[in-house]
Amino acid sequence: QVQLQESGPGLVNPSETLSLTCTVSGGSLNSNYWNWIRQPPGKGLEWIGYIYRSGSTSYNPALKSRVTLSLDTSKNQFSLKLSSVTAADTAVYYCATDSGSGNFHKWFDPWGQGTLVTVSS
Amino acid sequence: DIVMTQSPDSLTVSLGERATINCKSSQSVLYSYDNKNYLAWYQKKPGQPPKVLIYWASTRESGVPDRFSGSGSGTDFTLTISRLQAEDVAVYYCQQYYNTPLTFGGGTKVEIK
Repeated sequence: QVQLQESGPGLVNPSETLSLTCTVSGGSLNSNYWNWIRQPPGKGLEWIGYIYRSGSTSYNPALKSRVTLSLDTSKNQFSLKLSSVTAADTAVYYCATDSGSGNFHKWFDPWGQGTLVTVSS
Repeated sequence: DIVMTQSPDSLTVSLGERATINCKSSQSVLYSYDNKNYLAWYQKKPGQPPKVLIYWASTRESGVPDRFSGSGSGTDFTLTISRLQAEDVAVYYCQQYYNTPLTFGGGTKVEIK
């Protein structure tokens, strides 16, 4: 059974780059879509983007100019970088997979436990 | 972008009673080639990641109690909890996976009366 675990700094300075890694166990990055989703305190869920097994990516247009996703198949990890962060980027960040393929997606399952990232000096 | 609109924002229901949550998409999420609605429902509790309850609009995930059911097609969908239990207190989200950007509804908070 695939399990995901986020890791990275819990505190980031404004204007700097937020970097998170998701480690996948029990499965391979050579299948599925690998997603990042976030939830600001007291707010709803926002999809950030995905990276496909081929390395192709798709980003939320609202964040596209600041987001970079990457894969490291040797470590079975995928990563998120979000640049020029502000307090509005404070959120619980989740990694999640969907077992879609080609141009077709499926629901997010499973999810990591989530990690809180606070943007503050 | 497909905008997902949920109603109500919050819902207070007595134990054992029915809870109904609505979700409307700004365009159809029914794919004609496979006749499937690309819509899922999640349950979110504090400190936990979202848990998928329903996918393809009406297919219950394995292990999810049968008091949870999903219905609807095209642009209008409903999640029903037939007999609310204390452990069902949570925020519920719909999500479309028809196309990118993948989008969620704003959430519906379910509480006990």
